[in-house]
Amino acid sequence: DQQVKQNSPSLSVQEGRISILNCDYTNSMFDYFLWYKKYPAEGPTFLISISSIKDKNEDGRFTVFLNKSAKHLSLHIVPSQPGDSAVYFCAAISGTYKYIFGTGTRLKVLA
Amino acid sequence: EPEVTQTPSHQVTQMGQEVILRCVPISNHLYFYWYRQILGQKVEFLVSFYNNEISEKSEIFDDQFSVERPDGSNFTLKIRSTKLEDSAMYFCASSRDGREKLFFGSGTQLSVL
Repeated sequence: DQQVKQNSPSLSVQEGRISILNCDYTNSMFDYFLWYKKYPAEGPTFLISISSIKDKNEDGRFTVFLNKSAKHLSLHIVPSQPGDSAVYFCAAISGTYKYIFGTGTRLKVLA
Repeated sequence: EPEVTQTPSHQVTQMGQEVILRCVPISNHLYFYWYRQILGQKVEFLVSFYNNEISEKSEIFDDQFSVERPDGSNFTLKIRSTKLEDSAMYFCASSRDGREKLFFGSGTQLSVL
């Protein structure tokens, strides 16, 4: 049962443009969402999070949008940089403190 | 910034052997986790641990797996009799309160031959 889905396995974007990574979830009990970036042979690193009581959270070049009615969240990176090339995972948690991860989207930022 | 440390970074073992993967979570964190990632696949939840007991485990975490916090700093994952399909990158993670960001270690690459 895939409760958190990232339907795009990969995405290529030109340097300086916007990267939009999408994530859908099925469990309406999820109330906190996170985005992680992962480089090969490293552990995931936290990027940004959002509570279900908000619809937007911004941190520098990174903005996360949450649409609860659609059970959809997205991560916007503006402007995209070559160093942003990595695999991005969205994650969701409910009150049980179990973080469920999506399948990941590989972002490639082209110089 | 404080970090989660994992040892060893690579572990090669023969099928049927026991392995212990070690982790030192961030010192003031209360929730501890093990995840794994088979090459090219998603990061899968294995188990969460709080207050010296398992709070939740996945269907992957069968009787061959166990976790322990033997002292105030270490958190271990034991696989009693490894199988070929246990080959994966195993990540330890910790969280201060189970509701905020999860900090991951750099992982242990387990190869079962």
